[in-house]
Amino acid sequence: DQQVKQNSPSLSVQEGRISILNCDYTNSMFDYFLWYKKYPAEGPTFLISISSIKDKNEDGRFTVFLNKSAKHLSLHIVPSQPGDSAVYFCAASEGDYKLSFGAGTTVTVRA
Amino acid sequence: SQTIHQWPATLVQPVGSPLSLECTVEGTSNPNLYWYRQAAGRGLQLLFYSVGIGQISSEVPQNLSASRPQDRQFILSSKKLLLSDSGFYLCAWDGQEGGEQFFGPGTRLTVL
Repeated sequence: DQQVKQNSPSLSVQEGRISILNCDYTNSMFDYFLWYKKYPAEGPTFLISISSIKDKNEDGRFTVFLNKSAKHLSLHIVPSQPGDSAVYFCAASEGDYKLSFGAGTTVTVRA
Repeated sequence: SQTIHQWPATLVQPVGSPLSLECTVEGTSNPNLYWYRQAAGRGLQLLFYSVGIGQISSEVPQNLSASRPQDRQFILSSKKLLLSDSGFYLCAWDGQEGGEQFFGPGTRLTVL
């Protein structure tokens, strides 16, 4: 049973606009959340994380929002750039080191 | 700085043949090590993790096994590959305190 879900398999956005990626989880014990970015034929690279004691974390163009009551988090990319075209994975853990990953969302940034 | 290596980068194997994928980490000691598989169109599935030499935990029953003969070496093996073993295999590590994991470049395995 998948505990982390990314219900949008793909997202297309125009360069310069905002990309919003969504992620839902079912395990209320998750206390640490991460976003990874993956290019084809490469390993995922860490983007940004947030712990359950916060509801927002920002790093440059990337902001992650956490809504614990809704068991929902989102990643905002502003402004979107062509190099942002990749697969984005949401991941979560519950105090230990094991991460549960979502299925990924493929982002395409149009020029 | 820490680096993680995987080899080979690509591999084509016949059904029923053995498999050995290797992962090594440099620049850290006593890392947690992980093997993931990404099947086509699917997310990352955790296969095995290890918190120390000789300590292996399996997340899903399957045709694969893992070993950790040295602190910074993690090996994924199979005695007889199945068609369903095809996929992109990723090794990852993190520190003992957990947190973000760092991934290797991956191995594309095709079983024919």
